[in-house]
Amino acid sequence: AQSVTQPDIHITVSEGASLELRCNYSYGATPYLFWYVQSPGQGLQLLLKYFSGDTLVQGIKGFEAEFKRSQSSFNLRKPSVHWSDAAEYFCAVGANPNFGNEKLTFGTGTRLTIIP
Amino acid sequence: EAQVTQNPRYLITVTGKKLTVTCSQNMNHEYMSWYRQDPGLGLRQIYYSMNVEVTDKGDVPEGYKVSRKEKRNFPLILESPSPNQTSLYFCASRSGGHTEAFFGQGTRLTVV
Repeated sequence: AQSVTQPDIHITVSEGASLELRCNYSYGATPYLFWYVQSPGQGLQLLLKYFSGDTLVQGIKGFEAEFKRSQSSFNLRKPSVHWSDAAEYFCAVGANPNFGNEKLTFGTGTRLTIIP
Repeated sequence: EAQVTQNPRYLITVTGKKLTVTCSQNMNHEYMSWYRQDPGLGLRQIYYSMNVEVTDKGDVPEGYKVSRKEKRNFPLILESPSPNQTSLYFCASRSGGHTEAFFGQGTRLTVV
């Protein structure tokens, strides 16, 4: 069974500082990995995704993530955060979408607080 | 605009009173799912559908029903809601192959 661990429940960073959110996954085959962001009272918006190819993927809003198979990780990074980045971030792993259930398994989320 | 629309956004109901949360997508997606989000647990899949008239259980299906009579709609039905179904619910849709899921805005349900 697939699983996702986000070890940091809450992270606080200063505006302009760099950010790294950790994500570790467990999946028996080639993973399909996603980062979603949820702003207060909003739905989930896709930041970026990894299916195959280049292990460093670029997303929206200046975010990037690096897939490291040897570490089973897919950490999210941003070089300089903005106050508008305050939100909850979810890492998710998807089963092979060509075989039935397209279930996404989510981590428990990391809440990001930005201080001026 | 491509979107997944859920209604209502907020709902307070009493134990045992049947309710339906609607979900509609305008992207002609084959796959649709329902998730619930609870603090400290992330999002967990309730039910999913791979196409019209094809549905199956996810990780937490107890107390829920779904139907998929049309490709665009995937309602979530709570026949007899209980307080432990108080949660934030999300509908999602996806096309086949290597694509991401699109989520609705969520429905916050409170069962008293």
